[in-house]
Amino acid sequence: AQKVTQAQTEISVVEKEDVTLDCVYETRDTTYYLFWYKQPPSGELVFLIRRNSFDEQNEISGRYSWNFQKSTSSFNFTITASQVVDSAVYFCALRGGGSNYKLTFGKGTLLTVNP
Amino acid sequence: EPEVTQTPSHQVTQMGQEVILRCVPISNHLYFYWYRQILGQKVEFLVSFYNNEISEKSEIFDDQFSVERPDGSNFTLKIRSTKLEDSAMYFCASSDGTGVVYGYTFGSGTRLTVV
Repeated sequence: AQKVTQAQTEISVVEKEDVTLDCVYETRDTTYYLFWYKQPPSGELVFLIRRNSFDEQNEISGRYSWNFQKSTSSFNFTITASQVVDSAVYFCALRGGGSNYKLTFGKGTLLTVNP
Repeated sequence: EPEVTQTPSHQVTQMGQEVILRCVPISNHLYFYWYRQILGQKVEFLVSFYNNEISEKSEIFDDQFSVERPDGSNFTLKIRSTKLEDSAMYFCASSDGTGVVYGYTFGSGTRLTVV
């Protein structure tokens, strides 16, 4: 069974602060895929990143960076110099290997960036 | 950029009524999914669909639910006799393959309110 834990329910920061959203996952699959999605107040799910289990390189995209560590089963997401527009719920999700194509989501972290 | 389109954006229905939620996946995608998000909670997998049949379904997807691809473009979720607890945001998603190359594209959701 797949499981994703986002222990931080809510985080509040002031604009320009850096913030890290934690994600811990559980799976028995040796091959798996991790995702982050953003859900702004308007409600849609916006894809941010996908990471394969066999690629542990960290990734940076503008102000966003992701730290994947298989040893601790974590896939953390950092926003540098946060902005008000970053305010949203962020979901971490896991897709197993093989023919199991569904995504298992964490409960999400509500990030509020105050001006 | 190709989009997954869902209609309606919001539907209110009386308990016991049948509802059909509609989705137009990205045209060259082969795999289709429905997810549900009860207000303030995590996104939950309902069903996946490939080659005109259900490939996987969750415990939530009981006999009250059905999916159909009535033509080459639409993908529908039917709830036969709605209950109050069916009130949620329903997301349709599609992927070109197994989701591990280009990820999953989600629609903007249909907010279903059962009264």
